Amino acid sequence: GESVGLHLPTLSVQEGDNSIINCAYSNSASDYFIWYKQESGKGPQFIIDIRSNMDKRQGQRVTVLLNKTVKHLSLQIAATQPGDSAVYFCAENVSFSGGYNKLIFGAGTRLAVHP
Amino acid sequence: DTAVSQTPKYLVTQMGNDKSIKCEQNLGHDTMYWYKQDSKKFLKIMFSYNNKELIINETVPNRFSPKSPDKAHLNLHINSLELGDSAVYFCASSQRGTLNQPQHFGDGTRLSIL
Repeated sequence: GESVGLHLPTLSVQEGDNSIINCAYSNSASDYFIWYKQESGKGPQFIIDIRSNMDKRQGQRVTVLLNKTVKHLSLQIAATQPGDSAVYFCAENVSFSGGYNKLIFGAGTRLAVHP
Repeated sequence: DTAVSQTPKYLVTQMGNDKSIKCEQNLGHDTMYWYKQDSKKFLKIMFSYNNKELIINETVPNRFSPKSPDKAHLNLHINSLELGDSAVYFCASSQRGTLNQPQHFGDGTRLSIL
């Protein structure tokens, strides 16, 4: 199940199940979105991205869905494995003049995979 | 063959000291960033440099001074360290272009202020 509180929201799943991690973003002008995975003691690692002209993109075992109407992003992981246990962040890209951009990160969701 | 490397990985120091963190990327990117991650895992951008030029400064106290000697390096110097500076600092890089590209992160520098 999923819990939200003072600690990082945690999603607990059984190995082999599918996982869905949700994210709400804030800026209607955001044109590019990225999901990152952060393992303990490591930096955020790129998983998959999606541009605002798309509503779905698939990678290997992962799918990102984008709903611009409600400013919602989700990451689906198929057949979740113990190695998927990590903190997952969504990030929205905000572009500004000069071709520059910055990423605004969501709060993160901890995925705990149980055997 | 590390893409974005930061040193040191751990930094423990006393309040009031001055310290530096170094970052190097070998991806050929022209834009580099510093992020701060607090104890709740919240990641927030601090600075961005493009080809040695400061692009973003997210109202970070002026005790923090980034320096970019060339486009492959972005160092962070912090003066008069305070307890609230304890965090993990991440360096990242990306390539500026017409189409957005993901940022690549280093493994962080964990700064602990005593």
